[in-house]
Amino acid sequence: RKEVEQDPGPFNVPEGATVAFNCTYSNSASQSFFWYRQDCRKEPKLLMSVYSSGNEDGRFTAQLNRASQYISLLIRDSKLSDSATYLCVVNILNTGFQKLVFGTGTRLLVSP
Amino acid sequence: DVKVTQSSRYLVKRTGEKVFLECVQDMDHENMFWYRQDPGLGLRLIYFSYDVKMKEKGDIPEGYSVSREKKERFSLILESASTNQTSMYLCASSFSLFFRDGRTGNTGELFFGEGSRLTVL
Repeated sequence: RKEVEQDPGPFNVPEGATVAFNCTYSNSASQSFFWYRQDCRKEPKLLMSVYSSGNEDGRFTAQLNRASQYISLLIRDSKLSDSATYLCVVNILNTGFQKLVFGTGTRLLVSP
Repeated sequence: DVKVTQSSRYLVKRTGEKVFLECVQDMDHENMFWYRQDPGLGLRLIYFSYDVKMKEKGDIPEGYSVSREKKERFSLILESASTNQTSMYLCASSFSLFFRDGRTGNTGELFFGEGSRLTVL
């Protein structure tokens, strides 16, 4: 089983729509959680951290459910510029080091 | 702005050749990482380093080695390239977090280079 699993999509939505992605993780040693964004042929960049209490950044809301081991990202009022791949990332503390494990990503296409 | 620079954007090599991928960061980050990204498999960690001359294996280290002689530079070496090493290679860096129990972590924010697309024929 993969440590971090995401629906690859693509999610095709019209401008202005609300869209949500989920991500599940399997390692109970997971300590912190993030969403990264990767544009086509570009490097990934941090979009936002995910806090236990949930957090919001403009049109983006991230939530964490530790009991069920999943993370979600909600995008409201989608823009064309939101088209990208969204990577779920989990920070896992092993015996000596903490490492970031990336999901394979969910592709979002926002159309006019 | 943080800058992570990878030496080559595109490389084409032949099977059996030795390949060097160089990465330099200018933010004095302690941690540096090498990932490869393949369709359907996502980013997979090859090696990482949390200090000069220190290295740790990631999830897929076979066929690769690394070198960190200076804090700002982390090199990935393919001793004898094979066709299954055709991929996008991404270097990243981050600040360290230090836990009370002595373990080393990261802030969760990785800064990536633009990637090096390697084709092995």
